[in-house]
Amino acid sequence: NAGVTQTPKFRVLKTGQSMTLLCAQDMNHEYMYWYRQDPGMGLRLIHYSVGEGTTAKGEVPDGYNVSRLKKQNFLLGLESAAPSQTSVYFCASRDYSGGELFFGEGSRLTVL
Amino acid sequence: AQSVAQPEDQVNVAEGNPLTVKCTYSVSGNPYLFWYVQYPNRGLQFLLKYITGDNLVKGSYGFEAEFNKSQTSFHLKKPSALVSDSALYFCAVSRNQAGTALIFGKGTTLSVSS
Repeated sequence: NAGVTQTPKFRVLKTGQSMTLLCAQDMNHEYMYWYRQDPGMGLRLIHYSVGEGTTAKGEVPDGYNVSRLKKQNFLLGLESAAPSQTSVYFCASRDYSGGELFFGEGSRLTVL
Repeated sequence: AQSVAQPEDQVNVAEGNPLTVKCTYSVSGNPYLFWYVQYPNRGLQFLLKYITGDNLVKGSYGFEAEFNKSQTSFHLKKPSALVSDSALYFCAVSRNQAGTALIFGKGTTLSVSS
């Protein structure tokens, strides 16, 4: 049972490049979330999804897009990366009961 | 809007002493409250949660937390700290509605000295 898996774990981009982070969960969870973690800022919610085909904006959505075409996958895209998007990105999921989040191990992104 | 405050950036305690990591929250309606721990270069691990019921919640690794509705607090406690408890701790809150996201505090670094 892998839980929540994020790929890639590390990536270096140049300003203006695009990329997609993939999150996959094998727990049949309804809800999925993307957070970013920056020193002294805690975790801030980027986008989330309450079901297949649905997405919603979180606290810091600008510069990011998401898609949830399959229940088990939640993709986070950066269309034109900026240095301000250098961060550690965490994906999480939870079931319909509203319990705790299950987190992936994180994806460290550096934008030069 | 939901919010969480962790007033201490760092808590220092000697091994064997009790520890408290503070958390206060703001949310409309009844809250769901959570504590998570993060070790270096790892994801967040769930410690405990308050959904409803007994105000004293017991969780993993000997941690517990007390929900205080009048003070809107959910402080994390442990009777006897271990060096291995040294980590970054996050408090989080959500509304008691399925699917709503958790909003996290900025985190408190716990340092336990031997």
